[in-house]
Amino acid sequence: DIQMTQSPSSLSASVGDRVTITCRASQGIRNDLGWYQQKPGKAPKRLIYAASSLQSGVPSRFSASGSGTEFTLTISSLQPEDFATYYCLQHNSYPWTFGQGTKVEIK
Amino acid sequence: EVQLVESGGGVVRPGGSLRLSCAASGFTFDDYDMSWVRQAPGKGLEWVSGINWNGGSTGYADSVKGRFTISRDNAKNSLYLQMNSLRGEDTALYHCARDGLVGATDYWGQGTLVTVSS
Repeated sequence: DIQMTQSPSSLSASVGDRVTITCRASQGIRNDLGWYQQKPGKAPKRLIYAASSLQSGVPSRFSASGSGTEFTLTISSLQPEDFATYYCLQHNSYPWTFGQGTKVEIK
Repeated sequence: EVQLVESGGGVVRPGGSLRLSCAASGFTFDDYDMSWVRQAPGKGLEWVSGINWNGGSTGYADSVKGRFTISRDNAKNSLYLQMNSLRGEDTALYHCARDGLVGATDYWGQGTLVTVSS
């Protein structure tokens, strides 16, 4: 099974900060990775698909890169509505696996 | 508008069974692979199971393999998850999710809560 190691598990940041979250796959997954945002009590929302493609309607301050085993999600200028938990998901092969999540909190 | 509405959750004793259902609308159901994803209280997301568009290929998390069975009925636009031999660690909110034509899961239902407790 492919393990996804996401870091950090949490971070504190201020509005306007640049934030980077990383996911590492235990083996190569090409670009079969998505990034999701989840707010308390809500279903997750897809931000990124195919490792670097921005989901329609998602602000351009979100970007992502990577291929193979190393992936990053970047928020260029953190906004108040971005405080949430973020997850990566690999869908290269069954069983699919999520990263452990990164909680982005207000500093 | 894509809608995924789960049902069938509830309280069940350890060792018991439940069948979850997901009613899909707003898209051509048999064009899409589907998944179940769960989230235990206060915990992260866990992919549980997936099924391709015609039911010919399925996958399971190691934690549920041999106990859970995913299926679909394209004529009824419905996805199912049969859960047997339930354990306390299966307590979670279970989401039905559509897998994107490009990339993974792109739409989620609001979930149905399963509580395994004696």
